[in-house]
Amino acid sequence: EDQVTQSPEALRLQEGESSSLNCSYTVSGLRGLFWYRQDPGKGPEFLFTLYSAGEEKEKERLKATLTKKESFLHITAPKPEDSATYLCAVLDSNYQLIWGAGTKLIIKP
Amino acid sequence: DSGVTQTPKHLITATGQRVTLRCSPRSGDLSVYWYQQSLDQGLQFLIHYYNGEERAKGNILERFSAQQFPDLHSELNLSSLELGDSALYFCASSVVANEQFFGPGTRLTVL
Repeated sequence: EDQVTQSPEALRLQEGESSSLNCSYTVSGLRGLFWYRQDPGKGPEFLFTLYSAGEEKEKERLKATLTKKESFLHITAPKPEDSATYLCAVLDSNYQLIWGAGTKLIIKP
Repeated sequence: DSGVTQTPKHLITATGQRVTLRCSPRSGDLSVYWYQQSLDQGLQFLIHYYNGEERAKGNILERFSAQQFPDLHSELNLSSLELGDSALYFCASSVVANEQFFGPGTRLTVL
């Protein structure tokens, strides 16, 4: 069964403390992996799309990478405004989007 | 601003009632998706429409239905509402199977 697992469930960091969020997947025929950011009470905001192993995308303090089994969202020197829930979703061979449960990131000043 | 609009922003109603949520996709997007998100829960996929036709169904209750009109806007109808239906309802749109762009959501409260 296709599955997407995000870890950790929650992560508390000090401002400036770099870290990584993980999204591991078991899907048949990956067609794309997407990262989103969601603030409380708001709709998810699209961040990145990755299509093949070895691909990397960057945006400000965020960098997403992809291997054959997982993706990492690296956050460098985070600020309090980076606090949010980060969601990962995978598009399988049937063009079905499978969502992870998200990682809640809290950056303390 | 994602370009996806949803109305209303908030809806308060009573158990047993019926409501309609509306979504207008981004210009040019043919696909519309509906999601439910209960408090502190993940996104639950409900249904996907592409150019007016139903493409996929997720965990959508029989009391819920949706449609996509010729102008591509979509409506989600929720009937015989229960307390447990209180949630945020999101609409998203995309070009075919690419990244989805989400609207601001409709917060439904069933009393």
